[in-house]
Amino acid sequence: EVQLVQSGAEVKKPGESLKISCWGAGYRFADYWVAWARQMPGEGLEWMGIINPADSETKYSPSFEGQVIISADINIIYLQWSSLRASDSAIYYCARLASAVGGYDFDYWGQGTLVTVSS
Amino acid sequence: DVVMIQSPLFLPVTLGQPASISCRSSQRLVYSDGNTYLTWFQQRPGQSPRRLIYKVSNRDSGVPGRFSGSGSGTYFTLKISRVEAEDVGVYYCMQGAYWPLTFGGGTKVEIK
Repeated sequence: EVQLVQSGAEVKKPGESLKISCWGAGYRFADYWVAWARQMPGEGLEWMGIINPADSETKYSPSFEGQVIISADINIIYLQWSSLRASDSAIYYCARLASAVGGYDFDYWGQGTLVTVSS
Repeated sequence: DVVMIQSPLFLPVTLGQPASISCRSSQRLVYSDGNTYLTWFQQRPGQSPRRLIYKVSNRDSGVPGRFSGSGSGTYFTLKISRVEAEDVGVYYCMQGAYWPLTFGGGTKVEIK
């Protein structure tokens, strides 16, 4: 069974750094791009960026370029911040791109990681 | 960026009755491979999004047959033939033809 599993909830202070993770199970992780999406409290979904775990090629949405770093290691991808702000408080989801060819279509999602940034 | 507009924002429905959600895009969503990349997701309260329909009208494995997607060009529709209690949640359309990828604002389905 294909699954994306994410790291647990985090509570941080403004200015702190953070790295959350997502790993795949039930499929060959390197064969599928994985994206990160943000959902702020009570709001809709926004794509942040996408990474190819095989070679770490990354693409960012303009709104998030320079604000976060998406990276990959063997069988795991990361989303990191160097200096958090209160406005980064949200649920972050990873999602698997269904195919490496064609347009963008996401078939499996992680359970979400709640990030709370508060002084 | 491609703008995705969903309507209505809120959809109160009676159990057993049909429901319909529309999604309009600011550009045609045809990719270079000839396919139209319009996806519908369901997000139940407290859960992750779940893909229901991909490439306009393809229903995912395990998705009940009461869900159907249709449309072309810049106008798309998600229909639920007979709403059940488990269908409560927020439904999002998403375009996957252009970067940056964009979602509609969501339609909240509630039971009357």
